[in-house]
Amino acid sequence: EVQLVESGEGLVQPGSSMKLSCVASGFTFSNYGMNWIRQAPKKGLEWIALIYYDSSSKYYADSVKGRFTISRDNSKNTLYLEMNSLRSEDTAMYYCATGSYFDYWGQGVMVTVSS
Amino acid sequence: DIMMTQSPLSVAVTPGESASISCRSSKSLLHSNGITYLSWYLQRPEKSPQLLIYQISNLASGVSDRFSGSGSGTDFTLKISKVETEDVGIYYCVQFLEVPLTFGSGTKLEIK
Repeated sequence: EVQLVESGEGLVQPGSSMKLSCVASGFTFSNYGMNWIRQAPKKGLEWIALIYYDSSSKYYADSVKGRFTISRDNSKNTLYLEMNSLRSEDTAMYYCATGSYFDYWGQGVMVTVSS
Repeated sequence: DIMMTQSPLSVAVTPGESASISCRSSKSLLHSNGITYLSWYLQRPEKSPQLLIYQISNLASGVSDRFSGSGSGTDFTLKISKVETEDVGIYYCVQFLEVPLTFGSGTKLEIK
């Protein structure tokens, strides 16, 4: 059974940093690209980052480019999202999702940016 | 960026009836490899989204065959036959042709 478990939830002040993790199991993690997707409260879904299976390519939404970094450790079956210079508009539920079609999703973690 | 436009914003359906949701992209989602990169998702209340359909009409594993997708180029439709209470939620289309990957704004399905 495919499982994606995010962690790193929390409340932070504007301008600060935070790192999210997503631990994968039930499939060969190192064979698949991975994504981060977020959902602001009562809003729709927004794709924010993609990393290839071997970390050879990374892509970002303009809204996070230069502030967020996606990375992975295939030896630990773990996906990361390093978030810097956080803004109030980054407040959202953050999901990791697998592969080319967001085949599987984690349960999500809430990030709240507020003073 | 490719813009994805969904309609209607919401739909109320009597159980057992059918519902259709439209999704239009600002650019053809047909790749030169012949694949059209359009998928559909359902987000049930308080749950993570789940994949329903990929490449216009391919049913994801474990998804009921009451769901079907159709369309081509820039115009796509998700049809839900014999709607059940468990189908309640927000439906999203997504394009995977190019980054940034973009979602439609969602269509809320409610039961009458």
